[in-house]
Amino acid sequence: GQSLEQPSEVTAVEGAIVQINCTYQTSGFYGLSWYQQHDGGAPTFLSYNGLDGLEETGRFSSFLSRSDSYGYLLLQELQMKDSASYFCAAIDYKLSFGAGTTVTVRA
Amino acid sequence: EAQVTQNPRYLITVTGKKLTVTCSQNMNHEYMSWYRQDPGLGLRQIYYSMNVEVTDKGDVPEGYKVSRKEKRNFPLILESPSPNQTSLYFCASSRGQVTYEQYFGPGTRLTVT
Repeated sequence: GQSLEQPSEVTAVEGAIVQINCTYQTSGFYGLSWYQQHDGGAPTFLSYNGLDGLEETGRFSSFLSRSDSYGYLLLQELQMKDSASYFCAAIDYKLSFGAGTTVTVRA
Repeated sequence: EAQVTQNPRYLITVTGKKLTVTCSQNMNHEYMSWYRQDPGLGLRQIYYSMNVEVTDKGDVPEGYKVSRKEKRNFPLILESPSPNQTSLYFCASSRGQVTYEQYFGPGTRLTVT
């Protein structure tokens, strides 16, 4: 099975940078995905790392280190609309999600 | 519009009364999956299907059944619901080789009394 750990909450001000870490223990692993969810709505895909290194998608970047079983999501130039829950997910034929990090952006 | 639909969106039922939550996608995706979401536990996978007539257990399959007779549909069946199945349920789909990018339905909020 899979086990993923991420912080439960992060608070930051508009314009700041937030890093959400995710550590995992897995029995099978192809890569790490990140999803965003607003207030119990449908999760939406943000980013995927299949290889070690940094992937950049606009204001969001994601990083993976397989040797450290570690990844992170970086949110830059925070906006109020970025207030949401963020989940890391270990990808195999099964998907295993972390418990989620609630990001609160303050004015 | 490419989408995953679920019905019903809200359901209140009683213990032991069989129910089905439907899921349909119009993107010709091979992979479909069901998740439940509970506070503090994130999304947990119940069942997944790699293609028609191929289903497999996720991390929390007990008390649930699924079938995949058509590519577009993947219903979730609770034959004898219990209060511990009260949860928010999501269906999702993806292209078969791209399981990392799941498209989620709007969710079904189920309450079992």
